[in-house]
Amino acid sequence: AQSVSQHNHHVILSEAASLELGCNYSYGGTVNLFWYVQYPGQHLQLLLKYFSGDPLVKGIKGFEAEFIKSKFSFNLRKPSVQWSDTAEYFCAVTRQAGTALIFGKGTTLSVSS
Amino acid sequence: GAGVSQSPSNKVTEKGKDVELRCDPISGHTALYWYRQSLGQGLEFLIYFQGNSAPDKSGLPSDRFSAERTGGSVSTLTIQRTQQEDSAVYLCASSLGRRNTEAFFGQGTRLTVV
Repeated sequence: AQSVSQHNHHVILSEAASLELGCNYSYGGTVNLFWYVQYPGQHLQLLLKYFSGDPLVKGIKGFEAEFIKSKFSFNLRKPSVQWSDTAEYFCAVTRQAGTALIFGKGTTLSVSS
Repeated sequence: GAGVSQSPSNKVTEKGKDVELRCDPISGHTALYWYRQSLGQGLEFLIYFQGNSAPDKSGLPSDRFSAERTGGSVSTLTIQRTQQEDSAVYLCASSLGRRNTEAFFGQGTRLTVV
């Protein structure tokens, strides 16, 4: 069965520190990859997505992610985090249309000012 | 509608009672997903609809859980004989259902079984 692994459960950073959150998936075929963010008290919203083409994708609020097919990874990065980035981050994977969107267990990011 | 709408936003029920949770997807979205979000468990996939059919219901945790979708739009998730472990936030999402499209989420229904 398709699965998504997020290696960090809780990450604590100071403002201006760099961020990298790991995501690995198990499916070997063509995939669509996503990172969603859930700010406290808000609903899930899309941060960025990869469908095809340039494996380095840029999203909102200065986030980016790199798809490395050989490693089945889609890690999320941000060079300098802000207090407002405190949230829960979810990696998600789906195959072509007609299949379910599968999420990892999430990573809680806490940024101190 | 402008976004995915879920109702009720909060539901408290007694153990053993049945509950129905409703999801109104974005107009024109053919794909609809249900998830359960519990503390420390992330988003647990429950069921996926394409139109009115459910090609993947592998995530439903027991036969007490069922879902239907009518008219290719509104979906209802039903939990029969609720148990305390059913307490969670139930999230619904919808998408265009085509390749290379993203899912949009509702605010969720917080279910508490007492």
